[in-house]
Amino acid sequence: GAVVSQHPSWVICKSGTSVKIECRSLDFQATTMFWYRQFPKQSLMLMATSNEGSKATYEQGVEKDKFLINHASLTLSTLTVTSAHPEDSSFYICSAGLDYSYEQYFGPGTRLTVT
Amino acid sequence: DQQVKQNSPSLSVQEGRISILNCDYTNSMFDYFLWYKKYPAEGPTFLISISSIKDKNEDGRFTVFLNKSAKHLSLHIVPSQPGDSAVYFCAAPRAQKLVFGQGTRLTINP
Repeated sequence: GAVVSQHPSWVICKSGTSVKIECRSLDFQATTMFWYRQFPKQSLMLMATSNEGSKATYEQGVEKDKFLINHASLTLSTLTVTSAHPEDSSFYICSAGLDYSYEQYFGPGTRLTVT
Repeated sequence: DQQVKQNSPSLSVQEGRISILNCDYTNSMFDYFLWYKKYPAEGPTFLISISSIKDKNEDGRFTVFLNKSAKHLSLHIVPSQPGDSAVYFCAAPRAQKLVFGQGTRLTINP
């Protein structure tokens, strides 16, 4: 149980375009989802906390107008990287938590390459 | 402010031996800790956890020890297997979020 999927698993886009990444909880409902970014050989950096039906809470230093997060249902959150630049190239991972547990269940990640 | 610290970026262990991964924390309000394992280009997977009311939790080859007075926890893997080669993160919940350490890359040598 507690499976989280992400789509796509990898994407290449050109500078200036936007790309959307989907995160779905497959067998449970998630009121809260999280978006992380991982640079090579570095730890997970929390970007934002996504709550169903409300605005996302962004971590300090994360541009909310650049990284648009929508959590329209209890099983789906999306991250849209707008006007992508090469420095946005990274590995993006989402996670979802159960209301009664500290654990977070992570998706497989999405490799974004901006050319 | 790095509230959860893993001071060893890497660790190399021979197959069959014990692997010990360490984690220190500074926030005495943390009352639960988790260990995650991560392979390259994959999301982290939950491994084992421990509540602050315990000092040890065991699950098969994995044991986590918690020393509250030292604000230190460790993950023991015995015997170590090649498939254990991965990056290991310790984490602690704070509000809704998880605070992660920097990770330790474990390499199991045949």
